[in-house]
Amino acid sequence: AQTVTQSQPEMSVQEAETVTLSCTYDTSESDYYLFWYKQPPSRQMILVIRQEAYKQQNATENRFSVNFQKAAKSFSLKISDSQLGDAAMYFCAYRSVHGGSQGNLIFGKGTKLSVKP
Amino acid sequence: ETGVTQSPTHLIKTRGQQVTLRCSSQSGHNTVSWYQQALGQGPQFIFQYYREEENGRGNFPPRFSGLQFPNYSSELNVNALELDDSALYLCASSLWVIQDLNHQETQYFGPGTRLLVL
Repeated sequence: AQTVTQSQPEMSVQEAETVTLSCTYDTSESDYYLFWYKQPPSRQMILVIRQEAYKQQNATENRFSVNFQKAAKSFSLKISDSQLGDAAMYFCAYRSVHGGSQGNLIFGKGTKLSVKP
Repeated sequence: ETGVTQSPTHLIKTRGQQVTLRCSSQSGHNTVSWYQQALGQGPQFIFQYYREEENGRGNFPPRFSGLQFPNYSSELNVNALELDDSALYLCASSLWVIQDLNHQETQYFGPGTRLLVL
């Protein structure tokens, strides 16, 4: 069974600085998706970024980028120019490339990010 | 905003009661997944519905059941509530294109229903 591990329960960053959140996963599949979701106090789970395992190029969305190391099964999220609105729980998630019963997301336990003004 | 809505926002029930939670999918989506998120934890997969049929289930007992309607909206029903059922319940909708190599698109989440069982 696949597992996702986030080893940093809490992280803190100064506004305008850069922070990296770590995620490792375990799977025997060769093709899959990885995601970072953000959950602010409002509870809405918001998609931050998505990476297809077959793509070697790291995904980027504005100030958010990932470092995807497939051999090491590592998927870290880098937030540049941190803003107060980035403060939230961040969840790393894995999903099989197949749909149906394998199409569910497997989440890590999350990292709580605080942004200091 | 994702276009996925859930009701109610909050709910308080007592042990042994039954509860129904509702979810409206994002327009164009045909698949709904339900997740349970206990306090301080990541969401756990309950089950998924595709075209009104359950199509995958996590490690949850049969007292957790669901429905999906022709308009792709969905309900989660929980019978015989237990204290440990207190959690945030999230639904997520997505588009599953079987013809496209069984490809399922990204899941988009609703705001959740906070259930408290006393």
